[in-house]
Amino acid sequence: DAEITQSPRHKITETGRQVTLACHQTWNHNNMFWYRQDLGHGLRLIHYSYGVQDTNKGEVSDGYSVSRSNTEDLPLTLESAASSQTSVYFCASSPGRGTGNEQFFGPGTRLTVL
Amino acid sequence: KQEVTQIPAALSVPEGENLVLNCSFTDSAIYNLQWFRQDPGKGLTSLLLIQSSQREQTSGRLNASLDKSSGRSTLYIAASQPGDSATYLCALPAGGTSYGKLTFGQGTILTVHP
Repeated sequence: DAEITQSPRHKITETGRQVTLACHQTWNHNNMFWYRQDLGHGLRLIHYSYGVQDTNKGEVSDGYSVSRSNTEDLPLTLESAASSQTSVYFCASSPGRGTGNEQFFGPGTRLTVL
Repeated sequence: KQEVTQIPAALSVPEGENLVLNCSFTDSAIYNLQWFRQDPGKGLTSLLLIQSSQREQTSGRLNASLDKSSGRSTLYIAASQPGDSATYLCALPAGGTSYGKLTFGQGTILTVHP
């Protein structure tokens, strides 16, 4: 069955370190998204991509970067981790342009920055 | 900017009750709306995607309605069960697209007690 996976599921790191969270989908979806979820703020968009070599900033993109070299993967990099980036991170994907674009989410990565 | 509000923030009901969760949005120029379920510590599971051309969408005991003109959607859960206990989120694609990044409501925490 097609799916979307994230790794690692849990990560503890130190302030200032570079961290990369992986997201892989097997649906051949064009669109991929990264969100973070925090108490009191709900789900907020970090970065998104509408296809290979396409990346766009979301509402909370500072300190994060993404790259899209193939259809299946959209890794999220924290350039220099900060305590404010402690959160649960969700990757999602959807087919592409047009109607009926149901978005599917991965299981999430819980990141703690000490 | 699209704003999404969910009422109530929390709901506790006895098993067997029929219940309604509400979602309102400020920009009625939407193509679709998606309802999700999130269990504690888990990812988001898509429940229903309702297109703007539809007034209702059904899946099992769930029924979602959409009224673009009034900026409202409701999720109706029939014959609630303890297994329905979760947070329910509604979300809409931003920027007047059918496929784009989602703007989420804050969610309704549902508890169904035996």
